[in-house]
Amino acid sequence: DTEVTQTPKHLVMGMTNKKSLKCEQHMGHRAMYWYKQKAKKPPELMFVYSYEKLSINESVPSRFSPECPNSSLLNLHLHALQPEDSALYLCASSHQGLAVPYEQYFGPGTRLTVT
Amino acid sequence: AQSVTQLGSHVSVSEGALVLLRCNYSSSVPPYLFWYVQYPNQGLQLLLKYTTGATLVKGINGFEAEFKKSETSFHLTKPSAHMSDAAEYFCAVSAGASKIIFGSGTRLSIRP
Repeated sequence: DTEVTQTPKHLVMGMTNKKSLKCEQHMGHRAMYWYKQKAKKPPELMFVYSYEKLSINESVPSRFSPECPNSSLLNLHLHALQPEDSALYLCASSHQGLAVPYEQYFGPGTRLTVT
Repeated sequence: AQSVTQLGSHVSVSEGALVLLRCNYSSSVPPYLFWYVQYPNQGLQLLLKYTTGATLVKGINGFEAEFKKSETSFHLTKPSAHMSDAAEYFCAVSAGASKIIFGSGTRLSIRP
């Protein structure tokens, strides 16, 4: 199974809402990632979890809160978002390299619209 | 610091023609290089990767890329374009054990 699944596919939320994005993989990968992708742009790294511990936070605003409950699951909790946060949110996973990265496997993404 | 430059934000070729997507990288250490493809409203899919060893790398869907250290390039090619190749293509370079840096992307269009 080389699939990364993400739910929901689409999400519309108001600026005062709290919602969560979910990501799951069963490939035994111990590194998991959240990316944000705006239209016609490359993915921008937000967070990296390595062995269920947060290893990279790319100075993401605190209204985005990641969580890795176990080695297969990754959540992104959203609160008080701004309209400019509307984007495609991609989850990815990979084996954890020691000095160089392994290839990342991406999910289909969650299309988020903040109204 | 590592970086990637993709030359040409949009490339258009005729069906059956050669596809050439250009990527140049900058890295202070021996790089690992990747090409990903993204179809509309989908996530990214790995086409191929260069780690060490053979400089000509073959990937899925008939694509290949050649690592040229002297030119700091990793261009993607396919001998004969198919309509289904229309997509966004991203070149990426390693930047540590858990990070890759993406180029700005090249949109490939195929003319019938």
